[in-house]
Amino acid sequence: GAVVSQHPSRVICKSGTSVKIECRSLDFQATTMFWYRQFPKKSLMLMATSNEGSKATYEQGVEKDKFLINHASLTLSTLTVTSAHPEDSSFYICSAMSRGNYGYTFGSGTRLTVV
Amino acid sequence: GQQLNQSPQSMFIQEGEDVSMNCTSSSIFNTWLWYKQEPGEGPVLLIALYKAGELTSNGRLTAQFGITRKDSFLNISASIPSDVGIYFCAGQPGTSGTYKYIFGTGTRLKVLA
Repeated sequence: GAVVSQHPSRVICKSGTSVKIECRSLDFQATTMFWYRQFPKKSLMLMATSNEGSKATYEQGVEKDKFLINHASLTLSTLTVTSAHPEDSSFYICSAMSRGNYGYTFGSGTRLTVV
Repeated sequence: GQQLNQSPQSMFIQEGEDVSMNCTSSSIFNTWLWYKQEPGEGPVLLIALYKAGELTSNGRLTAQFGITRKDSFLNISASIPSDVGIYFCAGQPGTSGTYKYIFGTGTRLKVLA
C-alpha cells in the first residue's frame, strides 16, 4: 500500500530559528501533497496544498512567508517554519494523494516544540 | 477553516458494544473518508466512500455515504480495547473543484475492558 514518510518525528528548536519538515511518498508518485496543523485534542486544519512543480496554495489565514512549502519532485514536499515562535509549536502532518484521488495517505506527523 | 460537524465528540463504551458516530454538513460532498488517529501518529484510512448510498465494510467497521450526500456514518461492531483512538470523517466538497478534503471535529473513543 501507499506509504508516506515524514521526518523528523519530533523537533525542538529555539525561537527565531527555522525548521524544515520533509514529507516523502515512498512507493508512489504524489502529484499533490497537503500540510496540516493539529492542536491538542483538535481536528486537522489544512494549511496548504502543495503541487509538484508549482507554487503552493495556502488556506486563508496561513502566512505563506512563515510556512514555506517546496514540492520539487513527485515524491518530496518540504515545509519550513521560518523564524519559529512558541505559538508555532504544534503537530504538523503531511498527506499525499496518488494519481486517481483514492483518498489521502498521511505521514506519521512531526511534533514541533519552539522554546 | 471549514470543518464538518461530527458527533459524538467522545464516548466511553464497554468492550463488546457496538459504536456509531456520524458526520453532517449543510453542503454536499463527493467523497467521504473515515480515519483513525492514535496519539502522536498520523491518521490512518479506514474506509473510503465514493457514491451516495454506498455502504462499505472493513472488518468490524461499516460506513455509509448518506443518500443526500450531506452526511456519513461509521459503525464499529463488537468493540475491543484497541479500537481506542480518535476517529475523523473527511469529506471532499462537491463544489470545490479540487481534491481538498475537509475534516470533521473528531470522535474520541474509549473502550472499557
